Amino acid sequence: AQSVTQLGSHVSVSEGALVLLRCNYSSSVPPYLFWYVQYPNQGLQLLLKYTTGATLVKGINGFEAEFKKSETSFHLTKPSAHMSDAAEYFCAVARGQTGANNLFFGTGTRLTVIP
Amino acid sequence: EPEVTQTPSHQVTQMGQEVILRCVPISNHLYFYWYRQILGQKVEFLVSFYNNEISEKSEIFDDQFSVERPDGSNFTLKIRSTKLEDSAMYFCASRGQGPYEQYFGPGTRLTVT
Repeated sequence: AQSVTQLGSHVSVSEGALVLLRCNYSSSVPPYLFWYVQYPNQGLQLLLKYTTGATLVKGINGFEAEFKKSETSFHLTKPSAHMSDAAEYFCAVARGQTGANNLFFGTGTRLTVIP
Repeated sequence: EPEVTQTPSHQVTQMGQEVILRCVPISNHLYFYWYRQILGQKVEFLVSFYNNEISEKSEIFDDQFSVERPDGSNFTLKIRSTKLEDSAMYFCASRGQGPYEQYFGPGTRLTVT
């Protein structure tokens, strides 16, 4: 079975500070991992994904995440927060195999950026 | 850029009524999904659809729910007899053959009174 735990339902950072959003996963098979962002009144937008290969993946808007199998983690980072980064962030896991690959989401982390 | 669209954006219905939520996936995509998010809770998988049939469904997707792709462009979720606990944001998503990312629509907020 697949599941995701996101530590911290709310994270506040100052503009220009490091953003770190934590995600740990559980999967019975090699996982595919995703980070999605949700702006108010909008759908879910893919930030980045890990399937296979390089464990450090870069996404849109300067975000990146590192897959660490030994720690079962896929934390999201950004070196310098911008006001426009304020949103809800969801980590998700899918079975890393062919098929429909349904997503299992974490509970989300709301990021607030303080000017 | 192609996008997934959903209608209506907000649906209010009375308990026991049938509702149909509509989605237009990205045109060359092959996999289609419905998820829901009850206020304050996580996004939950409901059902996936491929090659004109359900490929997987969750425990939430009971006999009250059905999906259909009636005309090759729309993808619908029907709830036969709504309950108060069906109140949620419902997201449609679609995926192509190769990439594994799913593209989500903006959601339909369903309110059951």
